[in-house]
Amino acid sequence: QSVLTQPPSVSGAPGQRVTISCTGSNSNIGAGNDVHWYQQFPGTAPKLLIYHDTNRPSGVPDRFSGSKSGASASLAITGLQAEDEADYYCQSFDSSLSGYVFGSGTKVTVL
Amino acid sequence: QVQLQESGPGLVKPSETLSLTCTVSGGSISYYYWTWIRQPPGKGLEWIGYIYYTGSTNYKHSLKSRLTISLDTSKNQFSLRLSSVTAADRATYYCAGQAPYSNWFDPWGPGTLVTVS
Repeated sequence: QSVLTQPPSVSGAPGQRVTISCTGSNSNIGAGNDVHWYQQFPGTAPKLLIYHDTNRPSGVPDRFSGSKSGASASLAITGLQAEDEADYYCQSFDSSLSGYVFGSGTKVTVL
Repeated sequence: QVQLQESGPGLVKPSETLSLTCTVSGGSISYYYWTWIRQPPGKGLEWIGYIYYTGSTNYKHSLKSRLTISLDTSKNQFSLRLSSVTAADRATYYCAGQAPYSNWFDPWGPGTLVTVS
């Protein structure tokens, strides 16, 4: 059971906008702890996609964006492309657990 | 740029100790937090613990009694030892770096699958 809750799957047609939610609690996201997002293709390691809620590392396309409000965060993909089909995970720090926690993961399918 | 590579046995017997090493190349092991994360087949990511270059550690509470993460600065390596393994410990194990004053993981090693059987 993941501490951060994500929808198991989201889908969209090429060019559409999809969003992935990440719901936490007052001990992690709601406590003001940063949220980060990772993209993972089958058989490969996760790759940092968004850090510190809204920031993109160098090389990440600007169609990926992050936001946070209260105890939840979201990842948006605008102008969905076939190459965006992957699993996406959110991550934060949990003050009660004194450790890092991940979301349950969301599979993005491009129709 | 810093690159990470996990190494160790891919098969461990139940009740024995799982041991993995992560080699850091392209940079010093100093000034970073070095982390282990695992992912059971078909499931999500689980943070296991980290070691700071000073040697201080933080382990996931539920694994604390079985877990040791250590550092060898002379070899630019850090290691994971997980004792008394069961089938539930079967997973791909990733090592990752965490810069000071950040709480995200980057870079990551490619991962290594460990089976318990």
